[in-house]
Amino acid sequence: GAVVSQHPSRVICKSGTSVKIECRSLDFQATTMFWYRQFPKQSLMLMATSNEGSKATYEQGVEKDKFLINHASLTLSTLTVTSAHPEDSSFYICSAREFRGLYEQYFGPGTRLTVT
Amino acid sequence: DAKTTQPPSMDCAEGRAANLPCNHSTISGNEYVYWYRQIHSQGPQYIIHGLKNNETNEMASLIITEDRKSSTLILPHATLRDTAVYYCIAPLSGNTPLVFGKGTRLSVIA
Repeated sequence: GAVVSQHPSRVICKSGTSVKIECRSLDFQATTMFWYRQFPKQSLMLMATSNEGSKATYEQGVEKDKFLINHASLTLSTLTVTSAHPEDSSFYICSAREFRGLYEQYFGPGTRLTVT
Repeated sequence: DAKTTQPPSMDCAEGRAANLPCNHSTISGNEYVYWYRQIHSQGPQYIIHGLKNNETNEMASLIITEDRKSSTLILPHATLRDTAVYYCIAPLSGNTPLVFGKGTRLSVIA
């Protein structure tokens, strides 16, 4: 099946700094990628949808200036958490979509962000 | 997305079949039903999807009722590694992102 990777798998940063998370589709081209966030004991929450070469679409309540998304190529999307605060500590999961007669979404392994 | 309803948790003995139900009574004619699972601290893993007919792959079987208002995911011989949260999702269209509900936490017990 299609493989999506994320880097780093876990990161610890100090409050006020920025952190970049990379998401790559390894064996397919993804015109659309998604970013989700998951807090402990909760389900995944969709943050934004990004299409290659255009601005991301953010879900209601997600600050676009805080969570910068760049989808510069068909295999790479990045999420930058700017001026991170402890409440941004979460599990961030990216997903890439491929069309195989039907749209299929594949998920990365996730990035655990801890802001101290 | 069509609203889906799943039991919050289920237990299953190792080696037995795990039958996970999902209610999607508001599903429309062209909405597929997808099943994913999430093992602790990992990204969701695709299991299977279907529209009308029953489907089977190397991981599981999906049984969809004739009226399409509900479905059951069957893991034929559950192992401890199948312990996870299982999500049933019926996206509005093939073009919309998957939106996750609370899912069913399946515990496979030795």
